[in-house]
Amino acid sequence: AQSVAQPEDQVNVAEGNPLTVKCTYSVSGNPYLFWYVQYPNRGLQFLLKYITGDNLVKGSYGFEAEFNKSQTSFHLKKPSALVSDSALYFCAVREHTGKLIFGQGTTLQVKP
Amino acid sequence: EAGVAQSPRYKIIEKRQSVAFWCNPISGHATLYWYQQILGQGPKLLIQFQNNGVVDDSQLPKDRFSAERLKGVDSTLKIQPAKLEDSAVYLCASSLGKEPNSPLHFGNGTRLTVT
Repeated sequence: AQSVAQPEDQVNVAEGNPLTVKCTYSVSGNPYLFWYVQYPNRGLQFLLKYITGDNLVKGSYGFEAEFNKSQTSFHLKKPSALVSDSALYFCAVREHTGKLIFGQGTTLQVKP
Repeated sequence: EAGVAQSPRYKIIEKRQSVAFWCNPISGHATLYWYQQILGQGPKLLIQFQNNGVVDDSQLPKDRFSAERLKGVDSTLKIQPAKLEDSAVYLCASSLGKEPNSPLHFGNGTRLTVT
């Protein structure tokens, strides 16, 4: 069975500092990996995806993610965090049927 | 383009009552998903439709949950009778297809509280 794990329940960073939200995956075959963000009382918003190609994927709002096959990781990164980036972040893997399997989520808290 | 529409936004019911949620996907999206998100957890797929056919309902508690997608567009999810553990946010999502390059677009969800 395919799965993703987010080892940190919460990540705290100061505004202006770089941020990393971690994700590891376990899949059979090629991994199709996604990051979504959820603001309070809102649905999930698509940030970026890795299907194939460059290991560094750029997405919305200045976020990027690095695919590392040897470490089976897909960490989300941003060079300079904003207070408005504070939200709940989900890593997900997509199965061949189309469905997404989500991790348990990581709360990002950016302090001024 | 208009996003995925869901209603109602909030619903409070007592246990053993019934409830229904409605979803209107993005126009032209063939694939529709219902997810359940319990507080503190990631969303879990309940059911997936391709047009008006069911692709995956393996995680749907069929003794109390039902869903349909009439004419391959709108969808409703029903719970009857509700239990306390059904308290969650119910998210509807749609995608053009099931291909990896076709991301899921989510609605704002319906927050259900069962008392």
